[in-house]
Amino acid sequence: NAGVTQTPKFRILKIGQSMTLQCTQDMNHNYMYWYRQDPGMGLKLIYYSVGAGITDKGEVPNGYNVSRSTTEDFPLRLELAAPSQTSVYFCASGERHQPQHFGDGTRLSIL
Amino acid sequence: GESVGLHLPTLSVQEGDNSIINCAYSNSASDYFIWYKQESGKGPQFIIDIRSNMDKRQGQRVTVLLNKTVKHLSLQIAATQPGDSAVYFCARTPAGTALIFGKGTTLSVSS
Repeated sequence: NAGVTQTPKFRILKIGQSMTLQCTQDMNHNYMYWYRQDPGMGLKLIYYSVGAGITDKGEVPNGYNVSRSTTEDFPLRLELAAPSQTSVYFCASGERHQPQHFGDGTRLSIL
Repeated sequence: GESVGLHLPTLSVQEGDNSIINCAYSNSASDYFIWYKQESGKGPQFIIDIRSNMDKRQGQRVTVLLNKTVKHLSLQIAATQPGDSAVYFCARTPAGTALIFGKGTTLSVSS
């Protein structure tokens, strides 16, 4: 099993550009999550999903959007990139409200 | 508001010693408490969890203790090894919602 796979691993964006961070899991988990981690800090929840077609906001959803059309995929979209969105983004999945498997992250810089 | 925090940002131990990493929380309404390990450049790795109706749970070389009276959680690592060097996060699952992370303790193990 690959677990949770995130792409890309690194990306540099200009202010105002848009992009989609991809996340896929092969464990048939219903619960999936997007977190961001700023330097020296813990993870903050952006959005989560408890199953295909269902998404909910976390602590810091502003500036992001998500969709969950399949169990496997949970993409995160930035529509108008801002410097404050420079961070490391982690996708995770689990069998309940406990992410058990994390991807290795996408390191995003917005200049 | 709700918070999950750690007492010390860093902890340095000698190889073979036992390590204790502490965490305090401010809200009692939680289903699970979880410990994660994060190595440099990687996503968090699930170590062990404990349900809120338990006081102690043991895994391989790790023990988690939960003291609900003083709202304190600890992770004990026996015979600490250099490979245990990482950032450790405690997190909790408020009833019915997604995980809240603390800031992390950096464990450094010297041989």
